[in-house]
Amino acid sequence: AQSVTQLDSQVPVFEEAPVELRCNYSSSVSVYLFWYVQYPNQGLQLLLKYLSGSTLVKGINGFEAEFNKSQTSFHLRKPSVHISDTAEYFCAVSDSRDDKIIFGKGTRLHILP
Amino acid sequence: EPEVTQTPSHQVTQMGQEVILRCVPISNHLYFYWYRQILGQKVEFLVSFYNNEISEKSEIFDDQFSVERPDGSNFTLKIRSTKLEDSAMYFCASSELGPEGNSPLHFGNGTRLTVT
Repeated sequence: AQSVTQLDSQVPVFEEAPVELRCNYSSSVSVYLFWYVQYPNQGLQLLLKYLSGSTLVKGINGFEAEFNKSQTSFHLRKPSVHISDTAEYFCAVSDSRDDKIIFGKGTRLHILP
Repeated sequence: EPEVTQTPSHQVTQMGQEVILRCVPISNHLYFYWYRQILGQKVEFLVSFYNNEISEKSEIFDDQFSVERPDGSNFTLKIRSTKLEDSAMYFCASSELGPEGNSPLHFGNGTRLTVT
């Protein structure tokens, strides 16, 4: 069965600094990978997804992620964060065998002024 | 842009009572899901629904839970006899083709269920 690990429960970063949120996955078959964002008191919103093709995926709000099959990782990056990026970020995985998505525990991005 | 809507936004109920959480998925979507998030914990899959039947369910989704699509627009989650540990944020989601297609899950804003 597939699983997702987000090692960092919380990441503090200064405004305009770069950030990387780590995600590792495990699966025995081909995977589809996602990053979702949850702003305070809101639902989950898709940031970006990897289904196939180019391993560098660009999403909304200036975020991007790179699929690395050898390291089974899908880290999320942004070169310069803004206070409005304060949110919880969830990495998620799905595989070709079923239609559900499995989420990681989430990483809370805390932007420091 | 069409969105998934959930009602109510907050539901308070007493232990042992039945609750129904309601969702209106995006109209042309075919796959429907319920997830829950206990405070401070990860988002957990409960159940997926396709072609008017459950396609997959997790261990959490026991006999106390049921889902229904009573008409062409609503998708409901019923908890027959709520327990304190059912307190969580419940998210409904829908997808046009399933997550492996080019249409990922669209989530509602959630219903916060508080069992007292």
